[in-house]
Amino acid sequence: RKEVEQDPGPFNVPEGATVAFNCTYSNSASQSFFWYRQDCRKEPKLLMSVYSSGNEDGRFTAQLNRASQYISLLIRDSKLSDSATYLCVVNFPTYNTDKLIFGTGTRLQVFP
Amino acid sequence: DTGVSQNPRHKITKRGQNVTFRCDPISEHNRLYWYRQTLGQGPEFLTYFQNEAQLEKSRLLSDRFSAERPKGSFSTLEIQRTEQGDSAMYLCASSSWGNPGLYSSYEQYFGPGTRLTVT
Repeated sequence: RKEVEQDPGPFNVPEGATVAFNCTYSNSASQSFFWYRQDCRKEPKLLMSVYSSGNEDGRFTAQLNRASQYISLLIRDSKLSDSATYLCVVNFPTYNTDKLIFGTGTRLQVFP
Repeated sequence: DTGVSQNPRHKITKRGQNVTFRCDPISEHNRLYWYRQTLGQGPEFLTYFQNEAQLEKSRLLSDRFSAERPKGSFSTLEIQRTEQGDSAMYLCASSSWGNPGLYSSYEQYFGPGTRLTVT
């Protein structure tokens, strides 16, 4: 099983649509979860951290289900500018570090 | 600009040559990470420093790769005897953990990357 698994997409949606991405992770000891956004040939940028109670930032809502080891990202009222790859990121604690493990990303294309 | 910076942004080299990349993290961040990203994949962890100590290296980091952070500020990543399979984007990220007076977080902030092409 991959450490962090995402549907690669692409998801092609019209402007104004609601779209949801899912992600599963394998290490039950993980404690920190993030969604990063990456535009073509650019560096990943932190979109939002994911908290146990779920959290919302404008049109973006993130949810965490620890029991199922599952994270989701919901984007409402999609904009053309939301077109990008969305990376699910999980920390993998070891005895001396907390490295982040990235999924392969889910590509979103919003069309007019 | 107070973000993470990386130099050079692009590097084209011939197979067998050595290359060195530099990363300057956000100034108050004590943790620095190197990742490698190839097309269609997420970034893959290579190595990590807390201050000047290199605390973990991925098995992806062969003997041809070495990283340093001598004064706990900037870091260099050197690849010796480059191979075509080394062609990738090399990303650096930094974060703050355990710094007195600063908020500790696992959130990492990335530099623009160095795109390496080995011909």
